[in-house]
Amino acid sequence: EAGVAQSPRYKIIEKRQSVAFWCNPISGHATLYWYQQILGQGPKLLIQFQNNGVVDDSQLPKDRFSAERLKGVDSTLKIQPAKLEDSAVYLCASFNKGLAGGPVETQYFGPGTRLLVL
Amino acid sequence: DAKTTQPPSMDCAEGRAANLPCNHSTISGNEYVYWYRQIHSQGPQYIIHGLKNNETNEMASLIITEDRKSSTLILPHATLRDTAVYYCIVRVVGSARQLTFGSGTQLTVLP
Repeated sequence: EAGVAQSPRYKIIEKRQSVAFWCNPISGHATLYWYQQILGQGPKLLIQFQNNGVVDDSQLPKDRFSAERLKGVDSTLKIQPAKLEDSAVYLCASFNKGLAGGPVETQYFGPGTRLLVL
Repeated sequence: DAKTTQPPSMDCAEGRAANLPCNHSTISGNEYVYWYRQIHSQGPQYIIHGLKNNETNEMASLIITEDRKSSTLILPHATLRDTAVYYCIVRVVGSARQLTFGSGTQLTVLP
């Protein structure tokens, strides 16, 4: 079974530039999450999708961050303009409710995109 | 979701069992205990989860106390590749809500 795919793996930009990350969840997983992980901390949720609808974006800094999942499969997360404090790993995860095989009610994470803002 | 408490770090000798404790004294009857780990520069990896019975899979065993207020993740024969941050997370059964990560336990397996 293919895992959660993310690209790029690494990105270096200057502050005030824009950047976009892409995620393709495990086939059949309707729920998709974007987490931000700052160095030395656990991941924190930015946004959660159910199919192509937003379930929870309460912790997303909407003045600079946006995300979409237009066809209910893959998703993009954008930052515009980036700030120094956005330097972090951005993790995408998808959720198996039991229809796609594997342990039920389990989130699977991609490898993450490491962003450095200079 | 209930809060969890874990020691910040632990060491274990290679080949020995690693026992990682977690306290979740405010857990509700409808909340699972999940364990994930994060190896350096990788995304979190699912290990195991349980509700009230002990669970075992190819990676680890999960022992949950009878009152469900604490649990222990057991890696039976730790290897150097098990060096990682281990997160204990509590989440409601049947919920697709986010996982709320704490600081976890940094397990270092020593040769």
